[in-house]
Amino acid sequence: SYELTQPPSVSVSPGQTARITCSGVALPNQYAYWYQQKPGQAPVLVIYKDTERPSGIPERFSGSSSGTTVTMTISGVQAEDEADFYCQSADSSGSYNVVFGGGTKLTVL
Amino acid sequence: EVQLVESGGGLVQPGGSLRLSCAASGFTFNNYEMNWVRQAPGKGLEWVSYIGRSGITIYYADSVKGRFTISRDNAKNSLYLQMNSLRAEDTAVYYCARAGDSSGYSDHWGQGTLVTVSS
Repeated sequence: SYELTQPPSVSVSPGQTARITCSGVALPNQYAYWYQQKPGQAPVLVIYKDTERPSGIPERFSGSSSGTTVTMTISGVQAEDEADFYCQSADSSGSYNVVFGGGTKLTVL
Repeated sequence: EVQLVESGGGLVQPGGSLRLSCAASGFTFNNYEMNWVRQAPGKGLEWVSYIGRSGITIYYADSVKGRFTISRDNAKNSLYLQMNSLRAEDTAVYYCARAGDSSGYSDHWGQGTLVTVSS
């Protein structure tokens, strides 16, 4: 079955830049999406179609793609950004298969 | 404002059934595809099912295929998930989510409803 691989944790100090990666063999052919989930809350879409930012999401959130890896970057991390982040994509098998990465816990030191 | 409110969760015995509902408001429901996504306690997100705008196009994760049925009532602005033959591993918070397009991503999520499968 198709898998998306994320680092379990990333730690940064306030004001620094956080980068969270997501790797998958189908990513060159499929868009990736990123969600932020704070404890006890529903996920929130923060990046769609690799690089697009939904309305209401701060400009410090950005996305990029290179080969089999996509990256979500938070520039000038704030304490309120501490959360779990999940990438989502699909495989290229032709069947409908939506997959989430295992999630990355972002800790703001 | 987009609002999605799930209901119908609770405690059910293994092998039992449960029907989840999701009431949608703040947008034209029949213009959007919808998803169900679940999250087991302390675990990550798992996509469960997708339904197209008219209810004709439907997809399921392999883990629920043959046991769960997604449906919608556009006249009532409601989404449903009928869950049969429930297993302990189905224990999770179930989220109703509006799809951004047919690729399966979700641009708005409800707060979720907890389903616990236990004897």
